[in-house]
Amino acid sequence: NAGVTQTPKFQVLKTGQSMTLQCAQDMNHNSMYWYRQDPGMGLRLIYYSASEGTTDKGEVPNGYNVSRLNKREFSLRLESAAPSQTSVYFCASSEDRALPYTEAFFGQGTRLTVV
Amino acid sequence: DQQVKQNSPSLSVQEGRISILNCDYTNSMFDYFLWYKKYPAEGPTFLISISSIKDKNEDGRFTVFLNKSAKHLSLHIVPSQPGDSAVYFCAAQAENTDKLIFGTGTRLQVFP
Repeated sequence: NAGVTQTPKFQVLKTGQSMTLQCAQDMNHNSMYWYRQDPGMGLRLIYYSASEGTTDKGEVPNGYNVSRLNKREFSLRLESAAPSQTSVYFCASSEDRALPYTEAFFGQGTRLTVV
Repeated sequence: DQQVKQNSPSLSVQEGRISILNCDYTNSMFDYFLWYKKYPAEGPTFLISISSIKDKNEDGRFTVFLNKSAKHLSLHIVPSQPGDSAVYFCAAQAENTDKLIFGTGTRLQVFP
């Protein structure tokens, strides 16, 4: 059982380049998320998808686009990378508050450096 | 504006003693609070939760306390073990949403 799989694990981009971070989950979860982790800032929500075909902005959506391709996959795209987007990116998924709270399951992260 | 804050970026505790990690929040609409643990090069994993209608939840060595009037919660680890060394994130969730809002994290180091 792979859980949440992110690719790539590491990436270096030049300013202005574009790329897509891929995420897939095999737990049949409806909800999926993209977070970024920065020193002193914790984990901040970039975008969220409650179900296939729906997406919502999180706390820091500027500079990013997302696509919920199907129930399993949720991709994050940087159209024109900037050094401020250097970060560790985490994808997560969860059931629809099947418990009274959301237990999100995270991937291992993508370490992105923009030079 | 950070809705969930962890004011201590790091904490160092001797093995066997108590670790206390603190978290403050500003949004009174949060109805659940969670703690996540993160090891280097791994994603965060769920540790323990507490409902806003409770003031304490215990799971083995881990206990979370909630002071709703002060908008403050804390995670107690007793006894602390070297394997507990990790970054701990506090997270909050409002009713009728799946979104989790995380704090800035506290790096716990447990030394022998």
